[in-house]
Amino acid sequence: SQTIHQWPATLVQPVGSPLSLECTVEGTSNPNLYWYRQAAGRGLQLLFYSVGIGQISSEVPQNLSASRPQDRQFILSSKKLLLSDSGFYLCASTGGGSTDTQYFGPGTRLTVL
Amino acid sequence: SQKIEQNSEALNIQEGKTATLTCNYTNYSPAYLQWYRQDPGRGPVFLLLIRENEKEKRKERLKVTFDTTLKQSLFHITASQPADSATYLCALDMGRDGNNRLAFGKGNQVVVIP
Repeated sequence: SQTIHQWPATLVQPVGSPLSLECTVEGTSNPNLYWYRQAAGRGLQLLFYSVGIGQISSEVPQNLSASRPQDRQFILSSKKLLLSDSGFYLCASTGGGSTDTQYFGPGTRLTVL
Repeated sequence: SQKIEQNSEALNIQEGKTATLTCNYTNYSPAYLQWYRQDPGRGPVFLLLIRENEKEKRKERLKVTFDTTLKQSLFHITASQPADSATYLCALDMGRDGNNRLAFGKGNQVVVIP
């Protein structure tokens, strides 16, 4: 089975500061990778997904960007954080035989002040 | 876009009873529907997947049904235990493009009372 690592676990950042969240995957190769945000009282919102190295698709226009420099590495970034960027960020992966189910990482709790 | 509805009110249920959750969706018919469990402060964990040509799926004490005519899925936890207390998320594929993107409902909290 695959394991998803995310760091940091928690982050408090001032408005206007940059952001970099990292996700790495073990136990599979060539996975589809996903970034979600879960705001308080809201469901999971798909932000970006990637089907391969360097291939990024954005689901919603926003202040964030994503990159996939390696097969099992997915990075979420921002040049200048907004208050509305606060939330619980989750990385997910499919692959390894079953391409339908998603395996989630432990998440990063981001608070923008 | 796909709209997914789950009951926003928490379901409080006595231990040993069956908990039943509902997931309703609009717009296009998904190729499959999934249920996940999420504990506070943690990522969701996959439970069950049911495809459009399947009526029912079981896994231990869990059962999922899928009615494509009603555009509804029911999720049952039989012989519920306090350890089943969590939020349960319904998820549908966002398109038959092979990218396996999922749209999630907001989730339905279950509280099992000992």
